[in-house]
Amino acid sequence: EADIYQTPRYLVIGTGKKITLECSQTMGHDKMYWYQQDPGMELHLIHYSYGVNSTEKGDLSSESTVSRIRTEHFPLTLESARPSHTSQYLCASKGLADTGELFFGEGSRLTVL
Amino acid sequence: SQQGEEDPQALSIQEGENATMNCSYKTSINNLQWYRQNSGRGLVHLILIRSNEREKHSGRLRVTLDTSKKSSSLLITASRAADTASYFCATDADNQGGKLIFGQGTELSVKP
Repeated sequence: EADIYQTPRYLVIGTGKKITLECSQTMGHDKMYWYQQDPGMELHLIHYSYGVNSTEKGDLSSESTVSRIRTEHFPLTLESARPSHTSQYLCASKGLADTGELFFGEGSRLTVL
Repeated sequence: SQQGEEDPQALSIQEGENATMNCSYKTSINNLQWYRQNSGRGLVHLILIRSNEREKHSGRLRVTLDTSKKSSSLLITASRAADTASYFCATDADNQGGKLIFGQGTELSVKP
């Protein structure tokens, strides 16, 4: 079982609110990722980090931001949520030993009204 | 553009039948992975096949890789209702900077 946790699992908020999606892993993994997935659709990489103080934007442009102050945590923040941000956000991590396998959290489903 | 394309997009079979899903990709890869996603949940890694491997087995799963055709297939034998999920292939390539690129997935429905 993967030791990677996302909170909240579900969030319904109004337009203009600031939100932070939390992602924590207890496996000591250096590499962490955020994917965005609409229902029934493919995953799009929006942010990734290869270690503390390292963050990069992914292939899909996103208005969200991330930080990596500690190895275990990789939170994603939306300063002003809009209905277009409604989606499922999946956090994942991978170890340095690099078997290649990604470990995913259960996801945070965000609905912006 | 996304590296992997999967077909079919949706597959409906009866319990006990075999399910085959295909994945095609565009550039040379280091490895190709298959993941499973139950509705509303995160993805779970199923199996990884390296570019120098042609076939791999894990329980009821059989994965093949044809690098000349840039394609892979996932076969689930003797399917069960609990296999109902979406299945994604993902490629790991040198030109992707260590990032996995996912296909759009195959939605498998196994009817009891």
